[in-house]
Amino acid sequence: AQSVSQHNHHVILSEAASLELGCNYSYGGTVNLFWYVQYPGQHLQLLLKYFSGDPLVKGIKGFEAEFIKSKFSFNLRKPSVQWSDTAEYFCAVTLYGNNRLAFGKGNQVVVIP
Amino acid sequence: DGGITQSPKYLFRKEGQNVTLSCEQNLNHDAMYWYRQDPGQGLRLIYYSQIVNDFQKGDIAEGYSVSREKKESFPLTVTSAQKNPTAFYLCASSTRDGNTEAFFGQGTRLTVV
Repeated sequence: AQSVSQHNHHVILSEAASLELGCNYSYGGTVNLFWYVQYPGQHLQLLLKYFSGDPLVKGIKGFEAEFIKSKFSFNLRKPSVQWSDTAEYFCAVTLYGNNRLAFGKGNQVVVIP
Repeated sequence: DGGITQSPKYLFRKEGQNVTLSCEQNLNHDAMYWYRQDPGQGLRLIYYSQIVNDFQKGDIAEGYSVSREKKESFPLTVTSAQKNPTAFYLCASSTRDGNTEAFFGQGTRLTVV
């Protein structure tokens, strides 16, 4: 079955530490890839997206993600986190030309000041 | 402001009662979606609609119903047949071709007692 996998559901780290969140998908074919973030008490918002072109994608707030087609992965990174990065992060996938989004189970990230 | 409005933010209902959650968008999007968010489960698709007067079941449609009589509106009814209705419900919209991101509402937290 098609799926999106995110590991290490709970991540706790200190300010200035580096963050990497893994995302793997099992879809065949061309995919569109997204990372969404949900800050406490706020609505889900887009961090970054990949449709085509350069596999290294820059997003908001210093986040970036790399699409590795051979590994079916789209890992999210930030070199130095801040307390304000405390949030839940979701990876999501659609098949090209199909708007049905499938989500991973999310990563709850807590940054300690 | 363009966006998606869900109402109410919090909803309490007695067991056995049907309840309808509102979702309105002014983004002129054709596609609309309902997701259910539970801790550690990510977002699971309940129903989606690609166009007015058309909708399809998602992964967890049992116990839910929807209608799409207007482009702007996609209400979700949680029926008494839904075995575990207490959850956070998110509405989203997007273009139909899937080549843009989805936009999300603030969510409705439903508690059934």
